[in-house]
Amino acid sequence: DTGVSQDPRHKITKRGQNVTFRCDPISEHNRLYWYRQTLGQGPEFLTYFQNEAQLEKSRLLSDRFSAERPKGSFSTLEIQRTEQGDSAMYLCASSLGEGGGYTFGSGTRLTVV
Amino acid sequence: GQSLEQPSEVTAVEGAIVQINCTYQTSGFYGLSWYQQHDGGAPTFLSYNGLDGLEETGRFSSFLSRSDSYGYLLLQELQMKDSASYFCAVRDNYGQNFVFGPGTRLSVLP
Repeated sequence: DTGVSQDPRHKITKRGQNVTFRCDPISEHNRLYWYRQTLGQGPEFLTYFQNEAQLEKSRLLSDRFSAERPKGSFSTLEIQRTEQGDSAMYLCASSLGEGGGYTFGSGTRLTVV
Repeated sequence: GQSLEQPSEVTAVEGAIVQINCTYQTSGFYGLSWYQQHDGGAPTFLSYNGLDGLEETGRFSSFLSRSDSYGYLLLQELQMKDSASYFCAVRDNYGQNFVFGPGTRLSVLP
């Protein structure tokens, strides 16, 4: 078990381009979460999957954001028509059941120029 | 809505004890967690309180009072490596996700 893996670690893109990030959770974890974190702030919830079902989505998540977890294993987060305000660290986490702790990945740092 | 408050910064010396407080306002409550995050690193789970009282894990302890909507993280025998940001996070009854506080930056001085 290598923990939660995220790819890429860093992404620089031009405004208006689409980007996609991947998250591989701990294999036996059925719950997967996406968070966004900007400098000096706490992680901000984006969306949550239980197995392949997307059960919750933040009101903060605009229509430009979409996430999938097609087979209940890895997940992708796509941002269309990126804006400078999308620049942040995108964190993925996973957990088993309703236990109190998440395991976070190292994140994907997105810079929109 | 939900809101969590934590002190923005705390400073202490090696070997000391420090307490980081967290107060919350949520529409429901289903548990309080604490995370540590070093600069450039991922948040790391430290502890979870679902019921009132004290949970102890080595040098770290966490306390919860649901009636006061309050919790704290207690760090004992501080070490330089404890310098990091610490986040409290609350799960309400209506969602499965945790909402994170703004974080407290702890600086441990020699």
